Amino acid sequence: NAGVTQTPKFRILKIGQSMTLQCTQDMNHNYMYWYRQDPGMGLKLIYYSVGAGITDKGEVPNGYNVSRSTTEDFPLRLELAAPSQTSVYFCASSYHGGGVLDTQYFGPGTRLTVL
Amino acid sequence: QKEVEQNSGPLSVPEGAIASLNCTYSDRGSQSFFWYRQYSGKSPELIMFIYSNGDKEDGRFTAQLNKASQYVSLLIRDSQPSDSATYLCAVRGGGADGLTFGKGTHLIIQP
Repeated sequence: NAGVTQTPKFRILKIGQSMTLQCTQDMNHNYMYWYRQDPGMGLKLIYYSVGAGITDKGEVPNGYNVSRSTTEDFPLRLELAAPSQTSVYFCASSYHGGGVLDTQYFGPGTRLTVL
Repeated sequence: QKEVEQNSGPLSVPEGAIASLNCTYSDRGSQSFFWYRQYSGKSPELIMFIYSNGDKEDGRFTAQLNKASQYVSLLIRDSQPSDSATYLCAVRGGGADGLTFGKGTHLIIQP
């Protein structure tokens, strides 16, 4: 199992450009999450999904969009990139959601810089 | 709004000593609690989870939970230089939403 994979690893965008961060998991997990981590800070939830076709906003969703057409994939779309979106983006997945024994597994991250 | 507070450190501990990391949380409805380790430039890696009051031990690691005080801690015994990392406390409520993370404590184990 590859676990959770993310592409690209690094990306530099110009202000106003758009891009899609890819996330794929091969553990047949129902729940998937997108977090961002700013320097010296903890992770903040952007969006999450409880299954194919179902997504919901997290703490910091503005400027992002997601879709979940399959169990495996959960892409994050940035429209009109802004410098405030410079961050490291982590995708995570878990088998359960909300259960006390739920464990989230993280991908390696995408480091995004908006100039 | 849910909040998780940690001392950012750095916390410096001699090799072989016990490192004690602390975390408080604001949401009394929180049900499960996690400690993640994050090396610089890497993704978070789960160290331990705990959901009942008291202590939970796994090798050199012990997690402690006190729901009445809304307090979670992580003890690392016989600290090794490889334990040097940022430790993130994360809390989860009863819903399907994600984890709420603290800012992390930067731990340095001095050889």
